[in-house]
Order: sequence, then C-alpha cells, then structure tokens
Amino acid sequence: AQKVTQAQTEISVVEKEDVTLDCVYETRDTTYYLFWYKQPPSGELVFLIRRNSFDEQNEISGRYSWNFQKSTSSFNFTITASQVVDSAVYFCALSEKNSKLTFGKGITLSVRP
Amino acid sequence: EPEVTQTPSHQVTQMGQEVILRCVPISNHLYFYWYRQILGQKVEFLVSFYNNEISEKSEIFDDQFSVERPDGSNFTLKIRSTKLEDSAMYFCAGQTRELYEQYFGPGTRLTVT
Repeated sequence: AQKVTQAQTEISVVEKEDVTLDCVYETRDTTYYLFWYKQPPSGELVFLIRRNSFDEQNEISGRYSWNFQKSTSSFNFTITASQVVDSAVYFCALSEKNSKLTFGKGITLSVRP
Repeated sequence: EPEVTQTPSHQVTQMGQEVILRCVPISNHLYFYWYRQILGQKVEFLVSFYNNEISEKSEIFDDQFSVERPDGSNFTLKIRSTKLEDSAMYFCAGQTRELYEQYFGPGTRLTVT
C-alpha cells in the first residue's frame, strides 16, 4: 500500500533563512509519481512539482529545489531565502498506477519577518 | 489561465439533509477526483471518475456518496444524508492524463450541524 510520511509537523523560520521540508514515501510499485502541493491560508491546493520514479535528477525552480533519492525513498523540498509569502501548509503526495493521490499529513511552515 | 471552479464556497446543512457539491473542471481534463480535508488534517482521496464511471473509490465513499457528470461539464458530489463527521473541505480535481498533475478547485467548506 502507498504511504507518505512527513515527520515534521510545524517549522518556523525567520525570513531569508533556508528551510528543508522532508518527505518519505512507501510504495511497492516501480513506477510512481511524487508531488508537492502548497496550501496557503486561503485554503486552495496549489501544484508545485511532479516527479516520476525514473527521474532522480534534482530540480530547481527559482528559490525552490527538490531532492529525490530513491535509495532512501525521500523527496525533500528546500526553499532558499524564505519569504513571508512562503508561509503555508506543504503537502507531499504519491501516485501509483491508479492515479489517486495519497497525501502526507502536511508541514505547516511559518516564515517570520 | 483556465481554473477549476467549485460551488458553493461554503455550505451549511443540517444532519440528515442531502447536499450536492458542484465542480466545473478545466475543459481538456478527462480524469476527475473528489478529495476531502477535515479541518487541520491531511487531504484524503474519495473517488476517481473517468469516462463517465467511477474508477476507484475509498472506504470513506460509502453508499451515502455518489458522483456524476450529467452534462459533460459539471462534476457533482452528492451526499444523501449528511452526518456531523462529513463536515470538511471538499476539493474537486482534474487532470488531462493519468498520473499527470492534478489541478484542484478552491474547495467547498461543508458544515453539518
């Protein structure tokens, strides 16, 4: 069965600090996809990234970067030089062949000015 | 940029009443989903829908729940007889192809009193 663990529940940083959000997943499939979504205080779910199990290249998008390591079943998300607008709940999610998303419990990130 | 829309944004209903939550997916989406998020908890899969039929449903999606896409645009979730524990945010999502990113609507907050 698929499972996503986000062990950190709440993280608080000061603006301009770097912060890494951890995600560990479990799956029996060899083909799967990993996602990160952001849920700001307004409540909507905003897609950030999708990664397939065959592509272990790290990805960088502006201040955001993702580190995918199959050996440790982890897909961690780093925000560089955090800003107050980054304050949100961040969800890691996993999808196998059936396409439904299995979400972790989410990490509440607070960025203080 | 096209967006998934959901109505109403907030619905208050009494226990035992029927509710219908509506979603208008992006026009080129073919796969549709409902998820729910009880306040402060993780996002949970309810049901997936493709080619006018249910592809998969979770244990939460019991006989009180139903989905349909009657006119090829609106995608609805009906709860026949609401219970207090149905109070949650309900998200609709769509995707163009299986395993691609899912785009979420803003959610409907359902409050059962």
